[in-house]
Amino acid sequence: DAGITQSPRYKITETGRQVTLMCHQTWSHSYMFWYRQDLGHGLRLIYYSAAADITDKGEVPDGYVVSRSKTENFPLTLESATRSQTSVYFCASHGASGNGGELFFGEGSRLTVL
Amino acid sequence: DAKTTQPPSMDCAEGRAANLPCNHSTISGNEYVYWYRQIHSQGPQYIIHGLKNNETNEMASLIITEDRKSSTLILPHATLRDTAVYYCIVTYNFNKFYFGSGTKLNVKP
Repeated sequence: DAGITQSPRYKITETGRQVTLMCHQTWSHSYMFWYRQDLGHGLRLIYYSAAADITDKGEVPDGYVVSRSKTENFPLTLESATRSQTSVYFCASHGASGNGGELFFGEGSRLTVL
Repeated sequence: DAKTTQPPSMDCAEGRAANLPCNHSTISGNEYVYWYRQIHSQGPQYIIHGLKNNETNEMASLIITEDRKSSTLILPHATLRDTAVYYCIVTYNFNKFYFGSGTKLNVKP
């Protein structure tokens, strides 16, 4: 089915481990985004990508790495997870039509770092 | 990108109109106003967006003041399922949707 999917939906890891969260969209949208949402707070932009092989930092990029070798995939890697990275992570995509347009969000990946 | 200001919370009686304000006094001429909502811990859901004119769709109406420095999202007949956090976002750069803290709307029976 068309849409945007994230995996894993739930992940528990330990401090210092590497974790990769996957995001896949089937619309061939140019723009993709990663947000984090801490308990009781709004979403904060981590990284975004305007196209394959084009990525840039958002509000809170430290401790995260992204890549985008294919238009449909936008993985987010925590190279050495810390407890402060415990959060819910949302991936989104956007087709960027001429009159504005909407972000489509995945269901989120809940990450706990022990 | 313009910064937005929203009240942290609002209450609304079921069946009544919910009017959610957003202040964006530093908005520039090419910036759109977007509204999203987030129910529980789900991914945010698009509601509506506009540039200058008022907009209406099946979910809501968006009223933008003539000077564009503020806007109001109107849910005409709020239901319990409209209880959510509502985010107002202003952007011209589709790379940068900054969500802020939003308004928690509590729809009460």
